[in-house]
Parts: sequence; C-alpha cells; structure tokens
Amino acid sequence: QKEVEQDPGPLSVPEGAIVSLNCTYSNSAFQYFMWYRQYSRKGPELLMYTYSSGNKEDGRFTAQVDKSSKYISLFIRDSQPSDSATYLCAIGIQGAQKLVFGQGTRLTINP
Amino acid sequence: GAVVSQHPSWVICKSGTSVKIECRSLDFQATTMFWYRQFPKQSLMLMATSNEGSKATYEQGVEKDKFLINHASLTLSTLTVTSAHPEDSSFYICSARGDDSPKGYFGPGTRLTVT
Repeated sequence: QKEVEQDPGPLSVPEGAIVSLNCTYSNSAFQYFMWYRQYSRKGPELLMYTYSSGNKEDGRFTAQVDKSSKYISLFIRDSQPSDSATYLCAIGIQGAQKLVFGQGTRLTINP
Repeated sequence: GAVVSQHPSWVICKSGTSVKIECRSLDFQATTMFWYRQFPKQSLMLMATSNEGSKATYEQGVEKDKFLINHASLTLSTLTVTSAHPEDSSFYICSARGDDSPKGYFGPGTRLTVT
C-alpha cells in the first residue's frame, strides 16, 4: 500500500464548478498536510498548508483534513480556467525531513 | 511565499558530458534542499536530500556518483549530472525549506535534454 494515494484523474469540469480533490494516507503519524499546484513545465507552487484536522480557507481554496479517516481534501470554489493544473498533496511528519507526495491530479476547467 | 530559483531553466547537452544545475533560496536560509526528477505526466520522484555542510542522502536506486549534490551554503545547492546519457533527460526540480517550517518551496525546474 502506498503511503499516500491520490487519484491521477484527469478531472475535467466546467468553469464555475466546485472542484474536490482528495488524498488518503496510511500512516497515522503524519502531522502536516500541504497542497501544491503545478502548471505544465513549471515547479510546484505551495497553495495550502495545515497541520490540524478541520478546514482552512484561503480565498477560493479550502483545505480539509480528517485525521480520523486519514483523508485530506482541497476544494476550489468558482473554478476558473486558470486553475487548470496538476494538484499534488504532500504529507509530512514532524522531525522527518522529506515530504511524501501523492501522484497528482490533472485538473482541467473548461470555459 | 518564499522564492527559490533554478538555473538554467533548460539545457541541452551531448551524451557523455556533465551538466550542473543550481538551486538558490533567494529570501530565506535553506537548511535542507531536496532534488526531484519528474517524467512527463508523472509525479515527483525524490532523488536526494541535502543539508547544508553535509553529504547528501540519496534515495534507493539513485546513483550518487552520477548525480553529485553539493550544498555548500544556506542559499545554494547544486546538482551535477555526470556523464549524461539520453535516459537522464528529464525535468529536475529542487525544493528548499528552512529550519522553522516543514513547508517546502520549489524552484521552477530545469529541463535537461541529452542528445
């Protein structure tokens, strides 16, 4: 079993839709959670960072963590064509240097 | 967010030559840097972790004599691909983090093509 599982998609939705991106993880020791956005041929850009269960909101983005279910989500409201990218979840343990990345979900927002 | 730069952004080299890629943290001190490679439509594959002033820790299957990593200062790490071959063609991305946060900030990546 992979440490982090993420549906690679591709996911295609119309502009304005609410997008839900998800990851599951297997190790309950994971303590902090991030979402990155990666445009084609670019490095990933950190979107959201959280370390507790619950929701964290930043503009049109909401990160949700459910530690009891080992499940994290990223919601995008009022999706725009410029949101079309690959979204990667990343999970880490305090004291461990490296992050564990999901496979990435390719998202396309159609105008 | 913090800024990480990479140079060059793309490079073409001949088989058998060596290529050096630089990764710099521009506005923070990066105690730890990570080097990844990424194939088209695939996720990031961690190659090695380097701490300033220490030898890099390589992931299983990554040849340390082929991919030389130097992290000589808190703002600069370099990856040298030695005796490059066409199969080394890939997108190489560095990530940097400071002491006080687990957040990793990525560079824009370097596209290497070996002919």
